[in-house]
Amino acid sequence: EDQVTQSPEALRLQEGESSSLNCSYTVSGLRGLFWYRQDPGKGPEFLFTLYSAGEEKEKERLKATLTKKESFLHITAPKPEDSATYLCAVQAGNQFYFGTGTSLTVIP
Amino acid sequence: DGGITQSPKYLFRKEGQNVTLSCEQNLNHDAMYWYRQDPGQGLRLIYYSQIVNDFQKGDIAEGYSVSREKKESFPLTVTSAQKNPTAFYLCASSTGTEYEQYFGPGTRLTVT
Repeated sequence: EDQVTQSPEALRLQEGESSSLNCSYTVSGLRGLFWYRQDPGKGPEFLFTLYSAGEEKEKERLKATLTKKESFLHITAPKPEDSATYLCAVQAGNQFYFGTGTSLTVIP
Repeated sequence: DGGITQSPKYLFRKEGQNVTLSCEQNLNHDAMYWYRQDPGQGLRLIYYSQIVNDFQKGDIAEGYSVSREKKESFPLTVTSAQKNPTAFYLCASSTGTEYEQYFGPGTRLTVT
């Protein structure tokens, strides 16, 4: 069965303390892996798409990487405004499979 | 401004009533989707549509219905047959099914 697992479930960081979020997947025929940011009570905001192992994308303090079985979202020197839930999704066929997310809290 | 709108933001209904959630996009996207989000669970796909007048069931379509009469609109009806309708509903659209999805702000439905 296709599955997407994100870890950790929750992460608390001090401002400036870099870390990584993990998304592992077991799907057949991966067509793309997507990262989203979701603030409480709002819709997810698209961050990155990765299509093949070895690919990397960057945006401000965020960097996403992809291997054959997992993706990492690296957060460098986070700020309190980076606090949110980060969702990972993979596409197999015409469907998207979402993980349950990592809730990130950045403490000033 | 291009984007996806969902209305209303909050919706309250009595058990046994059907309710329709609105989703409109002006991004000229062909594909549109409906998801349900519950605490501790990933987004689950209810229905999706790749083209006007065509749609497919997702993983949890029972108790829901949709229509796609116009490219920009994809309303979702939550029927009285849905056993646990209270949830946060998200609409999304994409250029095609192989591309990233863009989400609306969501509708929180409470059924009592």
